[in-house]
Amino acid sequence: ELKVEQNPLFLSMQEGKNYTIYCNYSTTSDRLYWYRQDPGKSLESLFVLLSNGAVKQEGRLMASLDTKARLSTLHITAAVHDLSATYFCAVTPIRGAQKLVFGQGTRLTINP
Amino acid sequence: DVKVTQSSRYLVKRTGEKVFLECVQDMDHENMFWYRQDPGLGLRLIYFSYDVKMKEKGDIPEGYSVSREKKERFSLILESASTNQTSMYLCASRAGTGSSPLHFGNGTRLTVT
Repeated sequence: ELKVEQNPLFLSMQEGKNYTIYCNYSTTSDRLYWYRQDPGKSLESLFVLLSNGAVKQEGRLMASLDTKARLSTLHITAAVHDLSATYFCAVTPIRGAQKLVFGQGTRLTINP
Repeated sequence: DVKVTQSSRYLVKRTGEKVFLECVQDMDHENMFWYRQDPGLGLRLIYFSYDVKMKEKGDIPEGYSVSREKKERFSLILESASTNQTSMYLCASRAGTGSSPLHFGNGTRLTVT
């Protein structure tokens, strides 16, 4: 059974600092997704990572995938308050499978 | 832009009631999903459907059923609501290609009293 674990689950940081959220998963996959959820809102797709070594960047967020280590990271550079949200990673178990298995989410709070 | 619409934002139901949660998507997606979201547990898959009248159980199907009579509509049914089904329910859809992300609706917060 595929399990997806994120850490940390809660993160409070100052504006301008850098930090990384980690996403580990338990079985083979080469498709990983990152989502953002604002309070009271639904999930918004951020990144889709489809192969080992894939790296995607959007503004101050950068996501990477290491399929051999079964690890993805979401790196925040020079954080700003607007990035405060809950971030989820999700993994598709095997090629061709349609469902996504989600991590617990990381609640990120960025203080001015 | 893909639009996934859930019929109710908030619902309050009594224990034992039959509850219907409706979801409609406008992008002709083959795949539709129902997740529930609970604090500390992330999103857990209840059921999904990859075609009209086709369905598969997710990780927590007990106490739920689904219906997909038309491609654009996917309904979640709580046959006899219980208090442990109080949760946020999220519907999502996805194109048939293997790598496309899920597109989520705004969610239905269900309270069972």
